[in-house]
Amino acid sequence: GNSVTQMEGPVTLSEEAFLTINCTYTATGYPSLFWYVQYPGEGLQLLLKATKADDKGSNKGFEATYRKETTSFHLEKGSVQVSDSAVYFCALDAGNNRKLIWGLGTSLAVNP
Amino acid sequence: DARVTQTPRHKVTEMGQEVTMRCQPILGHNTVFWYRQTMMQGLELLAYFRNRAPLDDSGMPKDRFSAEMPDATLATLKIQPSEPRDSAVYFCASGLGQPNQPQHFGDGTRLSIL
Repeated sequence: GNSVTQMEGPVTLSEEAFLTINCTYTATGYPSLFWYVQYPGEGLQLLLKATKADDKGSNKGFEATYRKETTSFHLEKGSVQVSDSAVYFCALDAGNNRKLIWGLGTSLAVNP
Repeated sequence: DARVTQTPRHKVTEMGQEVTMRCQPILGHNTVFWYRQTMMQGLELLAYFRNRAPLDDSGMPKDRFSAEMPDATLATLKIQPSEPRDSAVYFCASGLGQPNQPQHFGDGTRLSIL
């Protein structure tokens, strides 16, 4: 079946450090892949997406590349800020009535 | 920006009471999802609707939970009777129901059952 595996948190970084949050998936066919972010006290919001192999999604300095050969969609940012402290969720859409398959989320804390 | 609106934002009540949570999806969205988020279980899909018809509610405890869409602008999630283990944040999300389109989340209802 379809599944998403994210690296466990929490991740704690200093401001301006490099961030990688790993995400791998299992799916039949060609799913679309998403990263969502949840700030404290808020709902999830779309951060970026990629819809086919080798696509790179980017937003707010974050990037992720859809790697079919490694079934991965790792999230990266070159220089994190305190305001990036949040929980990050990887998800896939395998076309099953638009129901998303979610990772467990990775909590990120950025210290000044 | 159009937003998904959830009410109430917070609810504290005693065990055994009925709880109703409401969601107004974004106008024009035809797919609505209900999620529950807890520290232990993470994000769980409870139910979802397309064009107001329930497509899947297998994630929901049927004996006490019910989800409906009385019209296109309102989705409800009810718990009766409520139990302390129902304490969680409940999110509603809506979408266009098309490939590659994201789900848009409300800010959630934080429910505490004493």
